[in-house]
Amino acid sequence: EAQVTQNPRYLITVTGKKLTVTCSQNMNHEYMSWYRQDPGLGLRQIYYSMNVEVTDKGDVPEGYKVSRKEKRNFPLILESPSPNQTSLYFCASAGGLGQPQHFGDGTRLSIL
Amino acid sequence: AQSVTQLDSQVPVFEEAPVELRCNYSSSVSVYLFWYVQYPNQGLQLLLKYLSGSTLVKGINGFEAEFNKSQTSFHLRKPSVHISDTAEYFCAVLRVTGGGNKLTFGTGTQLKVEL
Repeated sequence: EAQVTQNPRYLITVTGKKLTVTCSQNMNHEYMSWYRQDPGLGLRQIYYSMNVEVTDKGDVPEGYKVSRKEKRNFPLILESPSPNQTSLYFCASAGGLGQPQHFGDGTRLSIL
Repeated sequence: AQSVTQLDSQVPVFEEAPVELRCNYSSSVSVYLFWYVQYPNQGLQLLLKYLSGSTLVKGINGFEAEFNKSQTSFHLRKPSVHISDTAEYFCAVLRVTGGGNKLTFGTGTQLKVEL
């Protein structure tokens, strides 16, 4: 089954404690992206990757890092999380320019 | 820069009534247009897309949308809604350039179908 898998689904942690949210897709997609969803703001893009070792900032990249060492994986790293990063995060992938994105089920992060 | 406006944050409607969810966008370049649906506690699922060709596109679950270039709109419609259509709906615009696959979302419209 074609899917985008995120882990963990839920995480409560404390300010300053580094965390990583993993994202993996099994569709051999070149494009992957991370979004955060906040009430009243819709989804905002954090980072995206056009291919292995190619990443670029989205609209709200501050406080986040990503890496793309393999085509299937695109982890999101919060080096020093802060409460304003409490949000619902989605990973997505797409097969190419203009193709619709496939979304994971989301990761709800709470930073205390 | 591109932006997407969903004017209605909430739309209540009775079951079997028609519904229209509005979406307007601004972009200086050609775009692709999408509608996604998000059911409670789930990720986003593609409803329909406009890439080119016929301006009226049909999607899953009986939804359709019409691309209007002159009005820069892509409104979503369904002639008769069901309780199961209760969800949040997002319009999204994909900028067509060689530089990337940047998808900009609207702020969402919560559709609530009542008996």
